[in-house]
Amino acid sequence: GENVEQHPSTLSVQEGDSAVIKCTYSDSASNYFPWYKQELGKRPQLIIDIRSNVGEKKDQRIAVTLNKTAKHFSLHITETQPEDSAVYFCAATDSWGKLQFGAGTQVVVTP
Amino acid sequence: GAVVSQHPSWVICKSGTSVKIECRSLDFQATTMFWYRQFPKQSLMLMATSNEGSKATYEQGVEKDKFLINHASLTLSTLTVTSAHPEDSSFYICSAVNRDKRYEQYFGPGTRLTVT
Repeated sequence: GENVEQHPSTLSVQEGDSAVIKCTYSDSASNYFPWYKQELGKRPQLIIDIRSNVGEKKDQRIAVTLNKTAKHFSLHITETQPEDSAVYFCAATDSWGKLQFGAGTQVVVTP
Repeated sequence: GAVVSQHPSWVICKSGTSVKIECRSLDFQATTMFWYRQFPKQSLMLMATSNEGSKATYEQGVEKDKFLINHASLTLSTLTVTSAHPEDSSFYICSAVNRDKRYEQYFGPGTRLTVT
């Protein structure tokens, strides 16, 4: 089945700097890659997603890139703000259409 | 749009009792809902896939007789934790797939279960 690995597990950045989180997946049939932000005790919120027919997608300060050949995708947050502090999860659909999540990245943005 | 509710938001129960958690899609129809469990500081672990009008499919290692899932309508799925034990204490989150947007999953707010 699908296996998603996510790095780093924790990421501390200074406010205004960029943050990058990387994920790899194993199932070449995967075709949908969402990113979720989860604040403590709350539900995961979809922040951006990308489909396998697209290499890059941007939404204001957030961008995602996908390299299907290498089976990896990344989340880029620019001009980080304290409210970006949260746990971020990448995910990939397996061949059954189910999401497999990465282990998560705790992002801390210090003022 | 794409609102998913869950009830209750938290529950405390005694060992041996059963707890039912409801997951509703409020403004769209969901032929498929997923149930996840999340332990503190860990990722979401898929427990089962709930399909409207058919039996749920469970992930490896998840006891189907302990975690009963019913998907009676296009907007409601329920998870019943039977004979709960303290090790079942966790954050249970459902998600619903909009049948018109095949891949996008929308998460409920979660239910914090504590078994004493």
